[in-house]
Amino acid sequence: DQQVKQNSPSLSVQEGRISILNCDYTNSMFDYFLWYKKYPAEGPTFLISISSIKDKNEDGRFTVFLNKSAKHLSLHIVPSQPGDSAVYFCAASGENSGGSNYKLTFGKGTLLTVNP
Amino acid sequence: GAGVSQSPSNKVTEKGKDVELRCDPISGHTALYWYRQSLGQGLEFLIYFQGNSAPDKSGLPSDRFSAERTGGSVSTLTIQRTQQEDSAVYLCASSLSPSGGWYEQYFGPGTRLTVT
Repeated sequence: DQQVKQNSPSLSVQEGRISILNCDYTNSMFDYFLWYKKYPAEGPTFLISISSIKDKNEDGRFTVFLNKSAKHLSLHIVPSQPGDSAVYFCAASGENSGGSNYKLTFGKGTLLTVNP
Repeated sequence: GAGVSQSPSNKVTEKGKDVELRCDPISGHTALYWYRQSLGQGLEFLIYFQGNSAPDKSGLPSDRFSAERTGGSVSTLTIQRTQQEDSAVYLCASSLSPSGGWYEQYFGPGTRLTVT
C-alpha cells in the first residue's frame, strides 16, 4: 500500500522553463511534507519542506504547494537549470510518539532532466 | 564538517551469508535512521535510534535484520542469511533530536548490497 505516490517516473524540461513535480498521498495523518533531491551515487539531500498548516513555502527558485483537501503537493522549480537534473523524492511524516516526526514515507521519485 | 559516512560502498555476497553495514553519523546528531531503496522503489524506513531510548524497529522486514548503535554514535545494520530480495541500497541518515518537531535528516551515500 503506497501512501506517497509520484506518478511521473520522469520529466524533461528546457533550461529556463518551469519544472513541476507532483506528489499525492493517502494518509490523512501526514502533517509534514518534504522534497529531497538525489544525484547518482549520493544520498538524498533535503530541498524544501512544508507543514500542513501552510499551503505554500518558497525558497529561492523552489516553491512547494500543498493542497490538503486533494492530498496533493507539488514542487515548482523556476527557472530550471541543468544542475537541477536529479531524482526528486517526495516524503511525508505524521506525528510519532513523543510528538516528533521522524519516520519519513517516501515516494518512488521522479527523474528530472533539464536540457540546456 | 564531515557528513554521514557509510561502509562499504558496495557489497556483493552470496545468498545465505551474513553481512554487516556500517554508518558513522554526523558528530552531535543524536538521532540515526536506516532506510533501504530497492530497485524502482522509494526509500523504505527500517529503524530509528534516538539517544538512549529504545529504537523504533517497526520497519525491519524480518527477524533476519537487526541493528545496533554503540555509544550513541556508530551504527551497524546486520542482515543474517541474506536472500536475493535483500538486494538494495541501504541508506543511513542522522539528525538532531526530532523530539517535539522535525529536524532535517542528512543522508549518507548508501551501501549497495547485491545478493547473488
